[in-house]
Amino acid sequence: EAGVAQSPRYKIIEKRQSVAFWCNPISGHATLYWYQQILGQGPKLLIQFQNNGVVDDSQLPKDRFSAERLKGVDSTLKIQPAKLEDSAVYLCASSLEFEGVAFFGQGTRLTVV
Amino acid sequence: GEDVEQSLFLSVREGDSSVINCTYTDSSSTYLYWYKQEPGAGLQLLTYIFSNMDMKQDQRLTVLLNKKDKHLSLRIADTQTGDSAIYFCAESLYSGNTPLVFGKGTRLSVIA
Repeated sequence: EAGVAQSPRYKIIEKRQSVAFWCNPISGHATLYWYQQILGQGPKLLIQFQNNGVVDDSQLPKDRFSAERLKGVDSTLKIQPAKLEDSAVYLCASSLEFEGVAFFGQGTRLTVV
Repeated sequence: GEDVEQSLFLSVREGDSSVINCTYTDSSSTYLYWYKQEPGAGLQLLTYIFSNMDMKQDQRLTVLLNKKDKHLSLRIADTQTGDSAIYFCAESLYSGNTPLVFGKGTRLSVIA
C-alpha cells in the first residue's frame, strides 16, 4: 500500500514570495491533515479536511495561508506571501476514519530567506 | 485544555532498555500514540493504545498507560543504534473534531 505522498521535499524561497505544497493521501482515506513543524517542536495542526470539507482551520493563518482539497483526494497548501517565521517542515497526514490512526508523509522542508 | 509534556533528551547504551515518558492533561483522550521521527524524515507511527487499555506490547515496544496519573510511557527493549531518533507522544480527543496534539518530542541517543 502506497503511503502519503508529498512534494516537493525541499523548497527555498525569499520572503514575500509564494509557495505551494502538494499532498496525495493514502487511497481511500477520507480525513486529511496539514501540520506545521517548526524546528525543535512537535507538529501543530494547520487544517483538517473530511473528504473535501474543512473540519478545523482554526490554527490556519488565513491572511497568508490557504488550503484546498478538490474532489476529496489530493490537497494543496499555499502560502502567500511567505514570512521568515514560516520556515518549517509541512507535514501532510491522512486517516481512514474520522479520528482514526493518522499516517504521515515525508514532509516538505520550507526555508524562507 | 490540551497539553502533552515530554522530557527533551534521553541517552542510553546499546542493548539497554529505553523508557520515554509522556504526560497529558485532557482526560477525554481516547487514543494515545507514539511516533518516531528520524532526521529529515516524516513521522513514522510506532504504536498506539486505546484509553481503555493499560498496556500494549508489540515486539520490542511496550506501552504503559496510567489513566489516573495521565501518564504514558514507551519502553524499547534491547535498544539499538537504529533507534536513535526523536519520539513524539500524541493524544487524540474523542470530541468529534480534534486531531492529534503532539508533545515537543524526546530525542533518544543510543551510545554504542
